[in-house]
Amino acid sequence: GAVVSQHPSRVICKSGTSVKIECRSLDFQATTMFWYRQFPKQSLMLMATSNEGSKATYEQGVEKDKFLINHASLTLSTLTVTSAHPEDSSFYICSARDLETGELFFGEGSRLTVL
Amino acid sequence: GENVEQHPSTLSVQEGDSAVIKCTYSDSASNYFPWYKQELGKGPQLIIDIRSNVGEKKDQRIAVTLNKTAKHFSLHITETQPEDSAVYFCAASRGNQGGKLIFGQGTELSVKP
Repeated sequence: GAVVSQHPSRVICKSGTSVKIECRSLDFQATTMFWYRQFPKQSLMLMATSNEGSKATYEQGVEKDKFLINHASLTLSTLTVTSAHPEDSSFYICSARDLETGELFFGEGSRLTVL
Repeated sequence: GENVEQHPSTLSVQEGDSAVIKCTYSDSASNYFPWYKQELGKGPQLIIDIRSNVGEKKDQRIAVTLNKTAKHFSLHITETQPEDSAVYFCAASRGNQGGKLIFGQGTELSVKP
């Protein structure tokens, strides 16, 4: 079946550094990918919609300069958390929409811990 | 925008019993309603979905019902098993938004052997 891979699955960084998380669709092409953030025991909150070849669309309240999204190819979107702080520690999950079938698939998530 | 409310937040049942989780949505234009199961430390997995042109859908022990007039939909799990224990999320989206899902708050289901 279709697989969405996220890398890294876990990352620990120091406050003030930037962290990049990759989201890859392994056996399908995706013009649209979504990035979610999930705090412990909470729901998935949509951060932004990533569109291949164009700028991401951010949800209200999400700082686009802090959470940089790049969707440079039909199989890869990246989320960069710039100047990370402890409050950015969270579980980041991406999803990708299959260009041919329209089905939506989720990645396994990336846990970010900022010290 | 869309708002999805999910209840209960926690649900404990005995193995073999049924479990029901309910969601309401606010946007009458929403037409796609998936349910996800999320295990600890993992991404959500689609378990069943329903579109607005259907009132009920069943897949083995899992069923979903949709009431468009009342704007609510429910997940029914019958003959629950300990491996059904997880957090379940409902979600809603409009077809013209290309998959932008708005999630409910989640229900932590515990199935006791």
